[in-house]
Amino acid sequence: GAVVSQHPSRVICKSGTSVKIECRSLDFQATTMFWYRQFPKQSLMLMATSNEGSKATYEQGVEKDKFLINHASLTLSTLTVTSAHPEDSSFYICSAPPATGEGKLFFGSGTQLSVL
Amino acid sequence: AQRVTQPEKLLSVFKGAPVELKCNYSYSGSPELFWYVQYSRQRLQLLLRHISRESIKGFTADLNKGETSFHLKKPFAQEEDSAMYYCAPRRAGGFKTIFGAGTRLFVKA
Repeated sequence: GAVVSQHPSRVICKSGTSVKIECRSLDFQATTMFWYRQFPKQSLMLMATSNEGSKATYEQGVEKDKFLINHASLTLSTLTVTSAHPEDSSFYICSAPPATGEGKLFFGSGTQLSVL
Repeated sequence: AQRVTQPEKLLSVFKGAPVELKCNYSYSGSPELFWYVQYSRQRLQLLLRHISRESIKGFTADLNKGETSFHLKKPFAQEEDSAMYYCAPRRAGGFKTIFGAGTRLFVKA
C-alpha cells in the first residue's frame, strides 16, 4: 500500500522558535496533501490543504502566517510552525490521497510538538 | 455546515458480543463516507468506505441517506478490534475529509 512518511516524530522547542515538519509520499505522487491537528483525546481537525504548485488552502480559524505550508514537489509538503508558543503544542498529522486510491487517505505517523 | 457526529466517546463490549458504532452526518451534496481506525501505537488507516460495500475484518457499514447515518457494525467483536474509530465524510469526487470525534472501542475478554 501507499506510504506516507512524516518527520520528525517528536520535537521540543523553545517558545518563539520555528519548527518545520515534513510529509513525504514515498511511493506515489500527491498533488494534494492535508494537514491535521489533534489535541489529546480529541478528533483530527483539518488545518489546511496543501496544493502542489499553488498556495495552500486554510480552514477557517487557522492562521496562515502562523502555519506556513509549502508543497515543493509532488512528493513533499512541509508545515512550518512559526514563532511557536505553548498553545501550539499538539499532535500534527499529514495525509495524502494517491490519485488511484479512490479517495482514501494514507496518513503519516504524526509529529508531537511540545513548545516550552 | 459540514458536520459529523459520533455520539459515543467510549464503547465497551465483551468479546463475541455485537458492536455498533454510530455515525450521523450533515453534509451538503452527496458525500462519500469512510471509517478510519487507529490501533494502539499505530497510524490512522482506512477501515472501509461505503462505495465499496465491502466487509473488512468482519465490519460492515451501510449508508442510510434518509437518516444520514453510516453506522459501523460487527456481529462478534474480538479483542483485537479494540481501537479508536473515526467516521469521515468527504465530498464526492474530492479528497478533503473531515473527521468525527471518534469512538474508542474496548473489547473485554
